[in-house]
Amino acid sequence: DAGITQSPRHKVTETGTPVTLRCHQTENHRYMYWYRQDPGHGLRLIHYSYGVKDTDKGEVSDGYSVSRSKTEDFLLTLESATSSQTSVYFCAISESRGGDTGELFFGEGSRLTVL
Amino acid sequence: GQQLNQSPQSMFIQEGEDVSMNCTSSSIFNTWLWYKQDPGEGPVLLIALYKAGELTSNGRLTAQFGITRKDSFLNISASIPSDVGIYFCAGLFQGAQKLVFGQGTRLTINP
Repeated sequence: DAGITQSPRHKVTETGTPVTLRCHQTENHRYMYWYRQDPGHGLRLIHYSYGVKDTDKGEVSDGYSVSRSKTEDFLLTLESATSSQTSVYFCAISESRGGDTGELFFGEGSRLTVL
Repeated sequence: GQQLNQSPQSMFIQEGEDVSMNCTSSSIFNTWLWYKQDPGEGPVLLIALYKAGELTSNGRLTAQFGITRKDSFLNISASIPSDVGIYFCAGLFQGAQKLVFGQGTRLTINP
């Protein structure tokens, strides 16, 4: 199994509060991704990173920011959480450019509930 | 954005039955992939297809890359209880860095 750890695994928060989710990998893979999973929508890309301090937006990036100061860590921040951001968030990594092969390794997910 | 239509959305079958699901798009993809998500876990790659017409097997699973490059199929033979989960198709455009995922097919097996 790919060494990917997400934290926290579960979080309940209130509308308007900031939230940070962490993804930590031990594989030294260059590419890291944040997805959200919602019923009826499958997996949708929020942001991705192609190296330290190199990030780009996905299809549902509004309301989210990311940072990658080290190869092994990719942080997803909700500056002011809203109920529409209640979801299960997955981190994924790929050893090559994910766009070349599509082969991603996913973490176990972080379930976020915004009240 | 690009859309993948995956069907059926859910399946309820008896153990031992064969399963078929598919994914279609109005766009052409260069790569098709199938992932499986067990309850409470992240998706895991099952099969990757890189050429139109390609037929690839992984144990009891067989997937095909459609000739038109706009669809893909996944078959599971002789289903067993551990096949339960959500199956996602995913497509990739040449030169893109982002996968497009289908909505998923939830498979439930009655023993």
